[in-house]
Amino acid sequence: GENVEQHPSTLSVQEGDSAVIKCTYSDSASNYFPWYKQELGKRPQLIIDIRSNVGEKKDQRIAVTLNKTAKHFSLHITETQPEDSAVYFCAAIGRDDKIIFGKGTRLHILP
Amino acid sequence: SAVISQKPSRDICQRGTSLTIQCQVDSQVTMMFWYRQQPGQSLTLIATANQGSEATYESGFVIDKFPISRPNLTFSTLTVSNMSPEDSSIYLCSAKTVSNTEAFFGQGTRLTVV
Repeated sequence: GENVEQHPSTLSVQEGDSAVIKCTYSDSASNYFPWYKQELGKRPQLIIDIRSNVGEKKDQRIAVTLNKTAKHFSLHITETQPEDSAVYFCAAIGRDDKIIFGKGTRLHILP
Repeated sequence: SAVISQKPSRDICQRGTSLTIQCQVDSQVTMMFWYRQQPGQSLTLIATANQGSEATYESGFVIDKFPISRPNLTFSTLTVSNMSPEDSSIYLCSAKTVSNTEAFFGQGTRLTVV
């Protein structure tokens, strides 16, 4: 089955700087890669996603890149703000439609 | 989008008892899933709830411990049976409408077993 690795587990960046979180997946049949943000005590919320026929997608300060050959994808947050502090999960969905999550990255935005 | 209502939101249970968690979606969905999230950890898939048939369980999870029902396209239940303190966790249901699209989550059930 699919296995998703995520790095780093914790990330601290100065407010206004950029943050990058990286993930790799194992199943070459996976074709949909969502990113979720989870604030303390709340449910995961989708922030951006990318499908396997696209190499990059951007939505305001958030962008995701996908390299299908290398089987890795990354989340980029620019001009970070205090409200970006949360846990971020990458995920992959394969042929069986199951969502497999990475272990998460706790992002701290420093004032 | 789909709105998912999950209940209870939290419960404290005695060891050896069982708790049933309910998940109601406001529209028909194709896929429903149950996840466990231990404090500070990621979401681990327990099983896929199949409409009208037995759930499909992931490695490490069995039907006797986590029986699941899905009588129709909008409703599912997860039972945590014969609970022990190790079952203390957050349980979340999730639903998808079609393939390769966003999955939505319930607000989670915070279970504490004492």
